[in-house]
Amino acid sequence: AQRVTQPEKLLSVFKGAPVELKCNYSYSGSPELFWYVQYSRQRLQLLLRHISRESIKGFTADLNKGETSFHLKKPFAQEEDSAMYYCALLRTSYGKLTFGQGTILTVHP
Amino acid sequence: SAVISQKPSRDICQRGTSLTIQCQVDSQVTMMFWYRQQPGQSLTLIATANQGSEATYESGFVIDKFPISRPNLTFSTLTVSNMSPEDSSIYLCSVVIAGVASHEQYFGPGTRLTVT
Repeated sequence: AQRVTQPEKLLSVFKGAPVELKCNYSYSGSPELFWYVQYSRQRLQLLLRHISRESIKGFTADLNKGETSFHLKKPFAQEEDSAMYYCALLRTSYGKLTFGQGTILTVHP
Repeated sequence: SAVISQKPSRDICQRGTSLTIQCQVDSQVTMMFWYRQQPGQSLTLIATANQGSEATYESGFVIDKFPISRPNLTFSTLTVSNMSPEDSSIYLCSVVIAGVASHEQYFGPGTRLTVT
């Protein structure tokens, strides 16, 4: 069965501090993983996907197949990063996503 | 990206009634999905909306409770039937845009449903 685990429901850091949002997955096939973000009063939006290996808004995420992890990192958090973050696993080639429980990130001034 | 709209944005309904939610996209899409987000919970896939044929439902969701239509590539409806307070959730549609990198899903703003 496919599963995505985000162990931290809440994460608080101070502005300028590094931040890491954890995501672990279980999947028997070749995984394709995403991070979605939902800012206050906005819709859910794609932040980044592991295949593109890009950095969006200073965030990066590396797929570690050995540890089955896809942690989201940013070296210097900003207040505008405060949001709900979801890790998601593409289950099949038909585009179905399994979401983790989400982590609420709060960046304090 | 694409502009995805949902109607209504929110509603308060009485138990036993039904509500139909619409999802409209301004681009050609290959796939459309409906998700539910219960209070304090993550998103759960309800079904894949298939154009011109019956939707494909996930385990725990049935057509009688959540009938779905998709008459064309850019429009779909989800009906929440015979509602109970447990159906109070945010319902979201998502799409995969034709021609965009595969499997990137874009989400609508959601419909916040409260059942009293």
